[in-house]
Amino acid sequence: QVQLVESGGGVVQPGRSLRLSCAASGFTFSSYAIHWVRQAPGKGLEWVSLISYDGTKKYYADSVKGRFTISRDNSKNTLSLQMSSLSAEDTAVYFCARSHSTAWDYFDYWGQGTLVTVSS
Amino acid sequence: DIQMTQSPSTLSASVGDRVTITCRASQSISSWLAWYQQKPGKAPQLLIYQASSLESGVPSRFSGSGSGTEFALTISSLQPHDSATYYCQQYSSYSTFGGGTKVEIK
Repeated sequence: QVQLVESGGGVVQPGRSLRLSCAASGFTFSSYAIHWVRQAPGKGLEWVSLISYDGTKKYYADSVKGRFTISRDNSKNTLSLQMSSLSAEDTAVYFCARSHSTAWDYFDYWGQGTLVTVSS
Repeated sequence: DIQMTQSPSTLSASVGDRVTITCRASQSISSWLAWYQQKPGKAPQLLIYQASSLESGVPSRFSGSGSGTEFALTISSLQPHDSATYYCQQYSSYSTFGGGTKVEIK
């Protein structure tokens, strides 16, 4: 069955960096675009970033552009999100989610999320 | 950027009630709209895609309608385990979520 498992969350100081990972299994990873979506405590869902199935196209929300970098390794079925210059506003649960197709589409599978807390 | 506005933000209804949540897009998104259900501490789950297509395994009491800028999610007969927060999402241009509707059981 399709599985997405995030890891790498934790407590980080403002201004520092953190790298999240998402391990995929149960489907042909290289055939699907993958997103990162975040949810601040008690708030709604916010789309963060998308990477195309082959890694050639990357998109970011304005709130993270220039600070976050999405990447994927199709040989290892893994997705990453490198986050830098973190601030309290980046505190959230970060989900990876599979796009139904190779690019923009609805999200048909989600991971369980990993919590990032930015605090001194 | 396309903005998505959901209403109401919360609603309280009784078991068996018919419940409707609306979602409005700031510009036309054709039928590129999905609905998700999220329970506390869990990831969202897909209910409806392309405005009105029911995801496999989702109970038939859930239905979606609309196109262009006006959309609705209807639960025909509210059940106790439908207590959750519901989000709409447009995927016509990038991706944007509505603010969510928390459904409570009276």
